[in-house]
Amino acid sequence: LAKTTQPISMDSYEGQEVNITCSHNNIATNDYITWYQQFPSQGPRFIIQGYKTKVTNEVASLFIPADRKSSTLSLPRVSLSDTAVYYCLVGGYYGGSQGNLIFGKGTKLSVKP
Amino acid sequence: KAGVTQTPRYLIKTRGQQVTLSCSPISGHRSVSWYQQTPGQGLQFLFEYFSETQRNKGNFPGRFSGRQFSNSRSEMNVSTLELGDSALYLCASSWTGQETQYFGPGTRLLVL
Repeated sequence: LAKTTQPISMDSYEGQEVNITCSHNNIATNDYITWYQQFPSQGPRFIIQGYKTKVTNEVASLFIPADRKSSTLSLPRVSLSDTAVYYCLVGGYYGGSQGNLIFGKGTKLSVKP
Repeated sequence: KAGVTQTPRYLIKTRGQQVTLSCSPISGHRSVSWYQQTPGQGLQFLFEYFSETQRNKGNFPGRFSGRQFSNSRSEMNVSTLELGDSALYLCASSWTGQETQYFGPGTRLLVL
């Protein structure tokens, strides 16, 4: 499974757009890119998943360039409740295979008023 | 549809004891995976069960074991507890293990 690199932490203010970039230089042809969000003492929550170009849902957008060696999670107009750790996962299907998700260190996003 | 549930939510044990944690997946999901989360090691995969069979296993000692019942409910057991086993134990379920995994709230285990 491809290794991912994300910033350890990021700060933002309410109402701003936040972009978190993840590097995955060794991504394989059949790998998907998946992002999870985790609040303290809770289980991770699936945010978005994509293979190439751009994916958007009601929560976030995911931008994937043509070479797929990186991806950017975009959170529009963040609020205090978006303060959490965000994980980027790369692997077959939804970030892993056979039920095995490989989590990195994640990016701790702190949103300030 | 009810989400993944885990019991108990909190647990305090002493070294040398054993503990059993329970996970009820989302109805219809047959794959259940277990993860350990600690501040130092982050989220680490323990094992995955599908149709009552362990299909995948992480790099944990044999003190960590699990099983899955015919209704897809799963339990994990940790024997001879060590201080380092203090962690948040999470389970996740999906239809077959190849789709989006949905996590439960976790069981916070403290070993004294």
